[in-house]
Amino acid sequence: KAGVTQTPRYLIKTRGQQVTLSCSPISGHRSVSWYQQTPGQGLQFLFEYFSETQRNKGNFPGRFSGRQFSNSRSEMNVSTLELGDSALYLCASSLGRGAGELFFGEGSRLTVL
Amino acid sequence: QQQVKQSPQSLIVQKGGISIINCAYENTAFDYFPWYQQFPGKGPALLIAIRPDVSEKKEGRFTISFNKSAKQFSLHIMDSQPGDSATYFCAASMRASQAGTALIFGKGTTLSVSS
Repeated sequence: KAGVTQTPRYLIKTRGQQVTLSCSPISGHRSVSWYQQTPGQGLQFLFEYFSETQRNKGNFPGRFSGRQFSNSRSEMNVSTLELGDSALYLCASSLGRGAGELFFGEGSRLTVL
Repeated sequence: QQQVKQSPQSLIVQKGGISIINCAYENTAFDYFPWYQQFPGKGPALLIAIRPDVSEKKEGRFTISFNKSAKQFSLHIMDSQPGDSATYFCAASMRASQAGTALIFGKGTTLSVSS
C-alpha cells in the first residue's frame, strides 16, 4: 500500500513569507505527526493530530501551526518565515495515538532566503 | 529530562564487523524505545524497537540491548554491510501518557561501513 506522501518535496521561500506543507497518511492511519529536521538540532517534534484535533505540541513558536482534515490528511503552516526555518519537514503517520509504528514520509525540504 | 543522548556522532566499521551505537535517557516515564535508519533523501524508517520490560530484542542482524537501571540502550549491528551505511537515530516516547506517539530523538550517528 502507498506510504506517507508529502508535497511539495522542495520549495524556496523568502523571509517574511508563509508556507503550507501537505501530508497524506497511509490509508487507515488516523494519527499524523510533524517533525522538523535540521543539521544542528536534529529531529524535533512539532505537533500531532488525531481525529482532526491537535493532541500534542512541541516547543515551537506560534508561527508553526497545523490542521487535520476528516480524511486524516494534514497540513502544516509556517508564517512569517525566518532563515532558521530552513529545514526538512517530515510527516509521520500511525494507526492511532500511542499505538503502532510511526511511518515517515520523505519530507518537504524548505529553504528560506 | 526530555533529552536522549546518543553516541558516537560518527562511526566507521569494516565490512563484517560489529557496529555499536549507544543512547542514554533521564526520564523514567519513557516506555518505548525505537531505532530509526535514515538514508540520504529519505525519511527515517523504523528498524527495531523495545519496551522497558525487555532487556534484549533481536531482529536479524540488529539487536537492541536495554539496561533499565542505567537508563541506557544500544543498537548492535552484527556482520555490518556497506548497505548499512546510513544515519541511525535512537528515540524514546511516553506512549502511555498524553504525549502519545511524540518521539524524542537522539542527535544521530552516521555509520559508514567500508568494504
